[in-house]
Amino acid sequence: AQKVTQAQTEISVVEKEDVTLDCVYETRDTTYYLFWYKQPPSGELVFLIRRNSFDEQNEISGRYSWNFQKSTSSFNFTITASQVVDSAVYFCALSGGFSGGYNKLIFGAGTRLAVHP
Amino acid sequence: EAQVTQNPRYLITVTGKKLTVTCSQNMNHEYMSWYRQDPGLGLRQIYYSMNVEVTDKGDVPEGYKVSRKEKRNFPLILESPSPNQTSLYFCASSLSPGLAGGYEQFFGPGTRLTVL
Repeated sequence: AQKVTQAQTEISVVEKEDVTLDCVYETRDTTYYLFWYKQPPSGELVFLIRRNSFDEQNEISGRYSWNFQKSTSSFNFTITASQVVDSAVYFCALSGGFSGGYNKLIFGAGTRLAVHP
Repeated sequence: EAQVTQNPRYLITVTGKKLTVTCSQNMNHEYMSWYRQDPGLGLRQIYYSMNVEVTDKGDVPEGYKVSRKEKRNFPLILESPSPNQTSLYFCASSLSPGLAGGYEQFFGPGTRLTVL
């Protein structure tokens, strides 16, 4: 069965601190995709990144970076120099394989990040 | 503007009163899906549709129905709502997936449902 674990329920940091959100996944599929979504207080889901299982290159986008390691089944997300606007719930998600409709996303429980001034 | 719309955004109802949450997308996506979000559980898939007239159950389909008569619309029907269906509901759409899924899903703004 596929599963995504975000062990950090809540993280609180002070502005300008770096913060890493952990994501560990389980799947038997050899081809799969990993995602991160952001849910700000307004409630919508904002797509951040998609990574396929064959591409282990780390990705950097401004203050955001992602570290994908198949050996540890992890897809961690780091925010550098955090800002108050980064306060949100962040979800890691997995899709892949024949179980449940191909595009079905298996979400982690989410990590609530609070960035204080 | 490419978007997924849901209506209503907020709904308070009583046990047993049938309701429908509408979902519409303007991106010509084949794939559409419904999720519910509950604290500590993330989002879980209720139903999905690969194309018109093709629907199937997700992980938590009990108490829900869907239909896909047009490509752009994918309504979620609660025939006899119960308090345990109080939740935040999201509709999503994407391009038709490959065998390993993979496409970004575009989410609607969410519908907050309370069943008393």
